[in-house]
Amino acid sequence: QQQVKQSPQSLIVQKGGISIINCAYENTAFDYFPWYQQFPGKGPALLIAIRPDVSEKKEGRFTISFNKSAKQFSLHIMDSQPGDSATYFCAALAGGTSYGKLTFGQGTILTVHP
Amino acid sequence: ETGVTQTPRHLVMGMTNKKSLKCEQHLGHNAMYWYKQSAKKPLELMFVYSLEERVENNSVPSRFSPECPNSSHLFLHLHTLQPEDSALYLCASSQVGDEQFFGPGTRLTVL
Repeated sequence: QQQVKQSPQSLIVQKGGISIINCAYENTAFDYFPWYQQFPGKGPALLIAIRPDVSEKKEGRFTISFNKSAKQFSLHIMDSQPGDSATYFCAALAGGTSYGKLTFGQGTILTVHP
Repeated sequence: ETGVTQTPRHLVMGMTNKKSLKCEQHLGHNAMYWYKQSAKKPLELMFVYSLEERVENNSVPSRFSPECPNSSHLFLHLHTLQPEDSALYLCASSQVGDEQFFGPGTRLTVL
């Protein structure tokens, strides 16, 4: 019940295309859903996050779509650029704790070809 | 130094060695975390310290021993590790209940 399932494992997109990464969860106690971006040799960095009271959040070229009834959320990268090539992790956090216990998806390796 | 720093960045050790990983955060946060990142697996939360108290220990083998002497420093002491412990070890910090900031990690290889 604590798992977050992420797909696809890897994704290849042409420059200017749309990259879409999907995540699904079971635990209805999750109430915060961040996406992290990780470049080789670096730790994950928070990219964008959403709470379940909204269905969509957009920051620049990055959009999270959230479907509470289906327990799914996805990351859309519009106008994908070679600099977006990285590993992307979705995560979920359950409320009710005094610290942030994140559950991560398996990660998606995104490659954007010029 | 800003953010979350980790030393060393790379470590190779034998199964009988004892070594320590160090993490330091310069963000004024009051919670710190150790994660293990293995190839093709989700990040695994190992330990959490909140307000300098260990509040989470996710069934981690005793050959991993954390230490949090103050709110800015976190250590992971390693002894008699196994080859399957080879991974990237990530430290993170946060203000309690807020987003986590990760360090660059220590790439550990156990021979």
